[in-house]
Amino acid sequence: NAGVMQNPRHLVRRRGQEARLRCSPMKGHSHVYWYRQLPEEGLKFMVYLQKENIIDESGMPKERFSAEFPKEGPSILRIQQVVRGDSAAYFCASSPQDSYQETQYFGPGTRLLVL
Amino acid sequence: GNSVTQMEGPVTLSEEAFLTINCTYTATGYPSLFWYVQYPGEGLQLLLKATKADDKGSNKGFEATYRKETTSFHLEKGSVQVSDSAVYFCALSPGGSYIPTFGRGTSLIVHP
Repeated sequence: NAGVMQNPRHLVRRRGQEARLRCSPMKGHSHVYWYRQLPEEGLKFMVYLQKENIIDESGMPKERFSAEFPKEGPSILRIQQVVRGDSAAYFCASSPQDSYQETQYFGPGTRLLVL
Repeated sequence: GNSVTQMEGPVTLSEEAFLTINCTYTATGYPSLFWYVQYPGEGLQLLLKATKADDKGSNKGFEATYRKETTSFHLEKGSVQVSDSAVYFCALSPGGSYIPTFGRGTSLIVHP
């Protein structure tokens, strides 16, 4: 049973370009969460999605950031017109249910560097 | 609001030494508590968890006890190995919420 998969693992973009980060949850998991980790900081929640629905995007910046989890295919976190401050590690996690006791399984992350 | 406070790192130990990483929390209700480990260049892996007061989570020689009276969830291991070198994150999930709150992480370095 493959774990949570993210690609690319490393992404370099110039200021003003777009970044697309992909996440395939574990088999059987229909809940996806995106987090951002700045250097030497803990993970900060960004958005929680189920198939075709955004459940909670309270942690996501209002501008330039968007996320989707289509019926088919991976979840996508999209950052438009990237700036240097977007440089961070972005982690995706998945769970089979949304219970607060349910363990979230994390992917290896995408490390975004904005030049 | 909810918050998690971990001891500052790095924690540097010799192999076979005893490890304690302190974690305290503030939360409303009755949260579940977690320890995650992050090895260099990888994502977080769940190390152990506890879902109610006085529960002890344990895995791979690590353990932590949910102490409601002191709002703590300290991580301990009796004899660390070089392979335990990683960053350790304490986290909580408040009752009724799916969004965990993470501490800033504590780096552990174990020397041979």
